[in-house]
Amino acid sequence: DAGVTQSPTHLIKTRGQHVTLRCSPISGHKSVSWYQQVLGQGPQFIFQYYEKEERGRGNFPDRFSARQFPNYSSELNVNALLLGDSALYLCASSPIAGGIETQYFGPGTRLLVL
Amino acid sequence: QKEVEQNSGPLSVPEGAIASLNCTYSDRVSQSFFWYRQYSGKSPELIMSIYSNGDKEDGRFTAQLNKASQYVSLLIRDSQPSDSATYLCAVVAPGFQKLVFGTGTRLLVSP
Repeated sequence: DAGVTQSPTHLIKTRGQHVTLRCSPISGHKSVSWYQQVLGQGPQFIFQYYEKEERGRGNFPDRFSARQFPNYSSELNVNALLLGDSALYLCASSPIAGGIETQYFGPGTRLLVL
Repeated sequence: QKEVEQNSGPLSVPEGAIASLNCTYSDRVSQSFFWYRQYSGKSPELIMSIYSNGDKEDGRFTAQLNKASQYVSLLIRDSQPSDSATYLCAVVAPGFQKLVFGTGTRLLVSP
């Protein structure tokens, strides 16, 4: 079975631009969570979606938004990019809301903001 | 005070030795604790979970939890060079099923 997939794998943007990152969960998984991992730090929770509804939001500015589609794939949008948004963005899917032990991470999208 | 604290390392151990990785957390009501392994340039992979005080063993890995001291550790026996990675401690935040990660400890196992 295919694991969690994310696209693109790498991305370079300039300050002030907008970016959209995409995630396809494992087949049958209805929950998607997004994390930001800055170099040298642990992942930091951004959002969780379950059955197309936002179930949780981390301490991130309103420039960050997300949504989940009927097929349970998800997009993370970041507006007005800052240099500090450069990071590895991880998507994790799970069959249920929460479900940490059944949560699998995708390979991530590495974003560089210049 | 950070919610989850780990020594960033690197922790260097020779092949065959026991590697001991430590983590403390600040929220006393946390109930679930996890250890992830992350190879350089890759995504985290869950290797152990622990919910009750005491030890939990899985192959060469043993997780230890002491809720009174707000301390969780991971022991890796018979360390192998392939164990060289960053080990992330994570705690489930009370009231919501989200992971709060520490900064990770980099482990280097030398042949």
